[in-house]
Amino acid sequence: DAGVIQSPRHEVTEMGQEVTLRCKPISGHDYLFWYRQTMMRGLELLIYFNNNVPIDDSGMPEDRFSAKMPNASFSTLKIQPSEPRDSAVYFCASSLGSAQNIQYFGAGTRLSVL
Amino acid sequence: KNQVEQSPQSLIILEGKNCTLQCNYTVSPFSNLRWYKQDTGRGPVSLTIMTFSENTKSNGRYTATLDADTKQSSLHITASQLSDSASYICVVASSGGYQKVTFGTGTKLQVIP
Repeated sequence: DAGVIQSPRHEVTEMGQEVTLRCKPISGHDYLFWYRQTMMRGLELLIYFNNNVPIDDSGMPEDRFSAKMPNASFSTLKIQPSEPRDSAVYFCASSLGSAQNIQYFGAGTRLSVL
Repeated sequence: KNQVEQSPQSLIILEGKNCTLQCNYTVSPFSNLRWYKQDTGRGPVSLTIMTFSENTKSNGRYTATLDADTKQSSLHITASQLSDSASYICVVASSGGYQKVTFGTGTKLQVIP
């Protein structure tokens, strides 16, 4: 298996633009997580899904952020409108059977909002 | 408030030496504790995961310990290699209706020749 695949690897955009990050989890995994990592705050859980259903979105910073999982093999994290403080590395991870099992992370998307 | 504190923040050691990283947590109720290794520019990779009943777990040259009474964990790296240079993140999960995870801010380890 190729592991968790995220795209794009890097994204540079201007303030106010819409940004869409994409994730393909490991085939067969039923949990999917979106994280944000910054130097100041470290890794933060934004939202996670179980069987394509959002379970906990309490980490989503504000209404500008939204996440969807239309099927078991694809998820998006959208920021609209983007702001400079959204600049961070966004990771997607997946796990099998339980949110408490080992999570496998993608390589991340480095987002820069100018 | 659930917290995970790691020490030291950064560490430089000579290749071949051993080192120990610390993790203290206040997460409750406790479910499991994980150590991740994150290379620069990459996503975290799981090293170990320990539940309440486990007090030691090894993965090659990495050995994690857990003292659930004092709420402390350590990650010991034996005979360090240059490839061990990375950030090591302690993550504690709490039990309950759905998963809550608390991340430490990590220890940045640099192994020098």
